[in-house]
Amino acid sequence: AQKVTQAQTEISVVEKEDVTLDCVYETRDTTYYLFWYKQPPSGELVFLIRRNSFDEQNEISGRYSWNFQKSTSSFNFTITASQVVDSAVYFCALGPNAGNMLTFGGGTRLMVKP
Amino acid sequence: NAGVTQTPKFQVLKTGQSMTLQCAQDMNHEYMSWYRQDPGMGLRLIHYSVGAGITDQGEVPNGYNVSRSTTEDFPLRLLSAAPSQTSVYFCASKGGLLNTGELFFGEGSRLTVL
Repeated sequence: AQKVTQAQTEISVVEKEDVTLDCVYETRDTTYYLFWYKQPPSGELVFLIRRNSFDEQNEISGRYSWNFQKSTSSFNFTITASQVVDSAVYFCALGPNAGNMLTFGGGTRLMVKP
Repeated sequence: NAGVTQTPKFQVLKTGQSMTLQCAQDMNHEYMSWYRQDPGMGLRLIHYSVGAGITDQGEVPNGYNVSRSTTEDFPLRLLSAAPSQTSVYFCASKGGLLNTGELFFGEGSRLTVL
């Protein structure tokens, strides 16, 4: 069985602070995919990143970066110099090789205050 | 540029009533799925389909039926609504090799069962 844990249910920061959202996963698959999604207050789900288990390189996209560590089964997400528009619920998700059963974590609500 | 379209966006039902949440996608994706989102529990997979005529159960299928007669449409049926089915429902589709691409979500349908 697969499991995704986002231990931080809610984080509050002040604008311009850096913030890291933690994601720990469990799977018996040797090949799998990890995802992050953003859900702003408007409610839609926005895809941020997909990473397969073969690729442990960290990725940076503007103010966003992701740290994938297979040894600790973690796929953490860092926002640098946070902005009010980053306020949202962020979900980490795990998918098997065949991609049919995507398992989501419980989400982390990030509040960025001006 | 429609993507995944869900209707209705809001619905209030009385216990025991039936209804169908509609979902359509125009991206020619083979894979479609329904999730429900409840506070603190992330998104949980209800049912999914890997192609027309093929459906399978997800994590929380009880109380819901689905069918997939065309590639484009994947309706979710509640035959006898219960208050425990009060939730936000998301339809999602994806493509890619072995369906490992990102999930594209609809805007969600908020259902309240009284």
